[in-house]
Amino acid sequence: QKEVEQDPGPLSVPEGAIVSLNCTYSNSAFQYFMWYRQYSRKGPELLMYTYSSGNKEDGRFTAQVDKSSKYISLFIRDSQPSDSATYLCAMSVNTGNQFYFGTGTSLTVIP
Amino acid sequence: GAVVSQHPSRVICKSGTSVKIECRSLDFQATTMFWYRQFPKQSLMLMATSNEGSKATYEQGVEKDKFLINHASLTLSTLTVTSAHPEDSSFYICSARPSGTAYGYTFGSGTRLTVV
Repeated sequence: QKEVEQDPGPLSVPEGAIVSLNCTYSNSAFQYFMWYRQYSRKGPELLMYTYSSGNKEDGRFTAQVDKSSKYISLFIRDSQPSDSATYLCAMSVNTGNQFYFGTGTSLTVIP
Repeated sequence: GAVVSQHPSRVICKSGTSVKIECRSLDFQATTMFWYRQFPKQSLMLMATSNEGSKATYEQGVEKDKFLINHASLTLSTLTVTSAHPEDSSFYICSARPSGTAYGYTFGSGTRLTVV
């Protein structure tokens, strides 16, 4: 079983839609959860991070962590064509440890 | 913000030759840098952890003699793919974290290696 599972998509939505991206994981020791955005042929850039359970909001983006279900989500409101990218979830036991990445979900927002 | 510069962005080499990829932290010191490999539509896979002034720590299944890592200074780590073969063709990415930041791992822009 993989440490982190993420549906690779592809996901295609119309502009303005709400997008929901999800990851599940198996290691209950994970405490740090991150979402990265990766444009084609570029390195990932940190989008959001959360510690332990709960929600975090930043503009149009909301990250949710449900440790009891071992499930994390990233919501994008009012999606824009510029949001088209691959979104990777990542998690670790602590900040000094190895990160475990999901496979990434490819998102296309259609104008 | 913290910037990690990675060069080259793209390289094509002949089978059997060696390729060096550089990763520099531009405005911070990085005692630790990480090297990842990413195949199309697959996750980032950690290859090795590069520690300044000491030997790199390789993940299981990664050949130390094939992927040579040198972290000679607090701002530079290099990955050398020795005797490259077509199966080594991949996207290689480095990352580093400025001290004092818990989550702020910054990634380089990646290197697309094609071995022909």
